[in-house]
Amino acid sequence: GAVVSQHPSWVICKSGTSVKIECRSLDFQATTMFWYRQFPKQSLMLMATSNEGSKATYEQGVEKDKFLINHASLTLSTLTVTSAHPEDSSFYICSAPDGFGNSPLHFGNGTRLTVT
Amino acid sequence: GESVGLHLPTLSVQEGDNSIINCAYSNSASDYFIWYKQESGKGPQFIIDIRSNMDKRQGQRVTVLLNKTVKHLSLQIAATQPGDSAVYFCAENLPLGAGGTSYGKLTFGQGTILTVHP
Repeated sequence: GAVVSQHPSWVICKSGTSVKIECRSLDFQATTMFWYRQFPKQSLMLMATSNEGSKATYEQGVEKDKFLINHASLTLSTLTVTSAHPEDSSFYICSAPDGFGNSPLHFGNGTRLTVT
Repeated sequence: GESVGLHLPTLSVQEGDNSIINCAYSNSASDYFIWYKQESGKGPQFIIDIRSNMDKRQGQRVTVLLNKTVKHLSLQIAATQPGDSAVYFCAENLPLGAGGTSYGKLTFGQGTILTVHP
């Protein structure tokens, strides 16, 4: 079945540094990927839509200069958290439809970011 | 056991019981609904989905019911097992634009913590 892979699965960084998270579709091409954020004991909140070959679309309240998204190829989207602060500590999850229209969205296993 | 919408986010059942998890969705234009299971530290795992032109769909041990009149979705798990213990989220998909349905932007419900006691 369709698989979405995220890397790293967890990362600890110091305040003020930047962190890059990768999301790959392993056996299908994804022109669109979605990035979610999940705080402890809360639901997933959509941050942005990553579009291959064009700019990402950000949800209201999400700073595009802080959360840089690059959809470099049909199988890879990256989310870079720039100048990270402790309040950015969260679980970041990506998803991708496999392009066959009537299929469910596949999620990666998430990246736990801890900013110290 | 049965949860009552998003106001009771915890459901505890005994192994072998049937579980019912409820969800109220927000947008009447949503055309596709998905139930996900999320275990600690992992991403959501697809369980079952249903389109807005259906009111019931069955899978293996799971059934999803959709009531568009009251914007309500439920997940029924038969013969619940300890391995079913997790957080369950419903998600609704809004069409991305005119000219047909596109899948992608999901709005997730609050989630229900299901605990199955052996």
